[in-house]
Parts: sequence; C-alpha cells; structure tokens
Amino acid sequence: DGGITQSPKYLFRKEGQNVTLSCEQNLNHDAMYWYRQDPGQGLRLIYYSQIVNDFQKGDIAEGYSVSREKKESFPLTVTSAQKNPTAFYLCASSTGRISTDTQYFGPGTRLTVL
Amino acid sequence: GQNIDQPTEMTATEGAIVQINCTYQTSGFNGLFWYQQHAGEAPTFLSYNVLDGLEEKGRFSSFLSRSKGYSYLLLKELQMKDSASYLCAVKRGNTGKLIFGQGTTLQVKP
Repeated sequence: DGGITQSPKYLFRKEGQNVTLSCEQNLNHDAMYWYRQDPGQGLRLIYYSQIVNDFQKGDIAEGYSVSREKKESFPLTVTSAQKNPTAFYLCASSTGRISTDTQYFGPGTRLTVL
Repeated sequence: GQNIDQPTEMTATEGAIVQINCTYQTSGFNGLFWYQQHAGEAPTFLSYNVLDGLEEKGRFSSFLSRSKGYSYLLLKELQMKDSASYLCAVKRGNTGKLIFGQGTTLQVKP
C-alpha cells in the first residue's frame, strides 16, 4: 500500500532533550513538508523540501532541524531550543508538480514534553 | 501579509445542508484547498479550486471567487460522520507552500 507513515504516534520526552520524528513515504513524491498543529490553531509550516538534499525554512523553523538524504524520508528533529515543543506534528508529501501539487498527510505524531 | 478567516464553530442537523465560508488575503494566490480533519487524525484532501466557480464532488462542493478572496465548502445531506474540522488552505506561488486557516469545527446533531 502506498502512503505516508509517521512514527511513533505518541512520544514523550523530558525537557531539554532533542527528539527526532520519523516521516517516510512510498508515493514517489518529490516534495515533503512538516507542520505543527496546536489546539484551536491551523497548521503552521516548519520546514519543507522540494527535492532530495535541499530544504527550506517555513514560518516557524526556529528550534527545529531537518534532513533530506533520501527521497522517501524527511525526519524532523525537535531541539532543546524549541520553547514550546508540545504539539501535534504532521508530515505531508506532494508530487512537487506546479499544476496540482495536492499535499497528502501522514497520521501524525503527538509529542509531549514533560 | 497573509490572512485566512473561517468561523471557529458551526452546528447543523443530520440530513441538512451547511456552508462553511473562508475569506483570504494573500499575495501570490495559486489555488485553494479544503481538507477534513477528524479529532486526533490527519487532514484528508477534499477539494482544490484554482479557477472561479463551483466544483462538485458527490455530497461536497467547493466554490471560489478570486476577485472577492472568498471560498466556501458546501456539505449536503449531512451525516453524523461529517462531524469534524474543515481546514481552508491557500497555496502561494509555485513552491507548494500552503497557508492554513484555523479550521471550522462542525458538529452534526441528530
């Protein structure tokens, strides 16, 4: 089955620890995205990548880092510099073609920092 | 700047019709998406409009007026499973970046 997977679904970490969230897709999509969702708020873009070995900051990149070494994978690291890391994190991918470029989302990871 | 507005909450009755509005102000507009999101789950794609007019997909329709910066999602023959948040998102330029509204939580009552 083609799709986007994120693991784990729930993650707990102590304050001050870095944590890496996994995102994998087998849709052969070129573009991948990371969003953060807080209660009562819309999705906010953290980082995005339109092609392997290249990525760009989104609107709220501070305290986060990413890598895109493989087309299928776009892991997100939440560093200790992120002031309010507790949130629902969503990964998405799209073909990257200009004409349509619908983004499809993974199931999300709910991160709680204690 | 960029701004997308949707009502925070709406309530409707099973079997009825509901219209969820979205207004936007953004530079480089290149299309508008609607997503459905059930609590604790990922958003799922509903519709995409880039030209003015109405797009119909079964019980769901989406309308766009670019000159007015306005879109709506129309849900017909409401079912209990339609209780969810509906997210309006505007695509900017050719980067694929989306700007999301805060979402409208729809509650369908029997």
